[in-house]
Amino acid sequence: GQQVMQIPQYQHVQEGEDFTTYCNSSTTLSNIQWYKQRPGGHPVFLIQLVKSGEVKKQKRLTFQFGEAKKNSSLHITATQTTDVGTYFCAGRQGGKLIFGQGTELSVKP
Amino acid sequence: KAGVTQTPRYLIKTRGQQVTLSCSPISGHRSVSWYQQTPGQGLQFLFEYFSETQRNKGNFPGRFSGRQFSNSRSEMNVSTLELGDSALYLCASSLARGVSYVTGELFFGEGSRLTVL
Repeated sequence: GQQVMQIPQYQHVQEGEDFTTYCNSSTTLSNIQWYKQRPGGHPVFLIQLVKSGEVKKQKRLTFQFGEAKKNSSLHITATQTTDVGTYFCAGRQGGKLIFGQGTELSVKP
Repeated sequence: KAGVTQTPRYLIKTRGQQVTLSCSPISGHRSVSWYQQTPGQGLQFLFEYFSETQRNKGNFPGRFSGRQFSNSRSEMNVSTLELGDSALYLCASSLARGVSYVTGELFFGEGSRLTVL
């Protein structure tokens, strides 16, 4: 079936360390979106990537969309305690927006 | 501008009962999607509605149904509840651009947390 795989499931880092989460699809995606869900909260949209090989930055966050439009990554430089939460990728396949399982990030001060 | 509103926020049901959850999208948003979130499964796509029509459906049994009204408000219903239906049910709305119903970013509500005993 349609799946978007995301790894790792959990990541524990020391404040100041970098963090990366990866997203892979077995099929080509129309676009990829990234969301952040704080503990006890709801997913909040971060960014959308549409073009093959696209790279976008938001302050310490760097988002990439693969050349084949089947994979994506989110990299956070020098994590802060405010980065804590679960990061989800979501790929549009055949009109449906399918979410990855998410990567839960914890940051130790 | 008010966000996506979901009611009720919390509810407890017993096996075999049915439940109806409501979602009011952001004003002007015509597309509404529903997701089930559980700790082990992440966000699972239930269905998407646009202009009162179901545009996409996930892989859930027929016990899960939904509808959208002319004012874009949406409801989802789960009949014959099972223990495994305990989850956070999230509704999300989005703008639909042009004649295509393919939508952009989703704006999520706070969710309805269902516990089935």
